[in-house]
Amino acid sequence: EPEVTQTPSHQVTQMGQEVILRCVPISNHLYFYWYRQILGQKVEFLVSFYNNEISEKSEIFDDQFSVERPDGSNFTLKIRSTKLEDSAMYFCASSEVLEAFFGQGTRLTVV
Amino acid sequence: AQKITQTQPGMFVQEKEAVTLDCTYDTSDQSYGLFWYKQPSSGEMIFLIYQGSYDEQNATEGRYSLNFQKARKSANLVISASQLGDSAMYFCAMRVRGTSYGKLTFGQGTILTVHP
Repeated sequence: EPEVTQTPSHQVTQMGQEVILRCVPISNHLYFYWYRQILGQKVEFLVSFYNNEISEKSEIFDDQFSVERPDGSNFTLKIRSTKLEDSAMYFCASSEVLEAFFGQGTRLTVV
Repeated sequence: AQKITQTQPGMFVQEKEAVTLDCTYDTSDQSYGLFWYKQPSSGEMIFLIYQGSYDEQNATEGRYSLNFQKARKSANLVISASQLGDSAMYFCAMRVRGTSYGKLTFGQGTILTVHP
């Protein structure tokens, strides 16, 4: 069964460092998303991406965040200068029309 | 703006019993979709069931059914014959059409514990 794949599963980084979270969406899906879940809290929308451009972003998605689809399969989230409060589970999701399928998440810990 | 409310922070159920997890929503859009996701302790988000706003029948997927009451703006998840493996966090979510296609708005979640 096709699935969304995220790497790495866990990343520890020092405050101020740049991180890149990687995702391989389901191949025939057209819409891609990043969500964030701070420990014990609800899942929050960060950004959606369609047709090689951002279609919507939340207020969380400020200038330190960027997304890219560098080739036909990968979808990346870059955090330029990480802060302690960026520690969270980051989920990539993709959808064709209706339901969004989520990857298993990347747990980012900023120390 | 859309809003999803899950008023039950935690629920307990005996194995093999049925349980209902509550979800109410608020939107001014006429066209929307409602979703339930399961998040086990391992952290992944597992899609369970979907209900479209124009669907006349309540959605069912195996042991999961969605009790959709449009006038009351509620979309409760019913799990029949609970199993120990159902213990997890459950999120209700909504997507509206015509905006950022596919953006999901999530509720706060309900932790379900199934007792043997």
